Amino acid sequence: KAGVTQTPRYLIKTRGQQVTLSCSPISGHRSVSWYQQTPGQGLQFLFEYFSETQRNKGNFPGRFSGRQFSNSRSEMNVSTLELGDSALYLCASSLAPRAGGTQYFGPGTRLLVL
Amino acid sequence: SQQGEEDPQALSIQEGENATMNCSYKTSINNLQWYRQNSGRGLVHLILIRSNEREKHSGRLRVTLDTSKKSSSLLITASRAADTASYFCATEGSTGNQFYFGTGTSLTVIP
Repeated sequence: KAGVTQTPRYLIKTRGQQVTLSCSPISGHRSVSWYQQTPGQGLQFLFEYFSETQRNKGNFPGRFSGRQFSNSRSEMNVSTLELGDSALYLCASSLAPRAGGTQYFGPGTRLLVL
Repeated sequence: SQQGEEDPQALSIQEGENATMNCSYKTSINNLQWYRQNSGRGLVHLILIRSNEREKHSGRLRVTLDTSKKSSSLLITASRAADTASYFCATEGSTGNQFYFGTGTSLTVIP
């Protein structure tokens, strides 16, 4: 079974631009969560989608948004990029919403904002 | 911040020794999970312990959970160079709505 895939793996953008990251969960998994990892703040939860609905959202500004498609693939979008958005963005999938379940992580997209 | 704290931040040991890392958290939880991350890559799930469990084993891993102290420990026995990685605890709150990662312990196993 293929694992969680994320595209692109690396991305360089400039301040003010927007970016869209993609995540394809493990086949059969319907829940997708997104995390931001930075050296200063560690791993922080962005949001979780299940059956195309956002279930939970972390404490991030409205510039961060996401969506999930009927095939469970998910995208996250960051608008008006800031230098502080430079981070490793990780996507994780699970069979069902996280309660009591194991999440499987993708390799991440490393975003650099110049 | 509702993140957990891990201790120590960094640990360096010789191959064959045991490694112990600790995690403290702040809220009531459904479960606590440990993950490993090799440099700059995705996280790999290691083990999950539920709030009504006190100890769990998986291969060379032993996890304990003390909900009264809001703390957990991960023991890796007979460490190998391949165990070199960062280790994170993650807690799922009792409402099931949030998932918080600890700050991580960077483990280096010297061959």
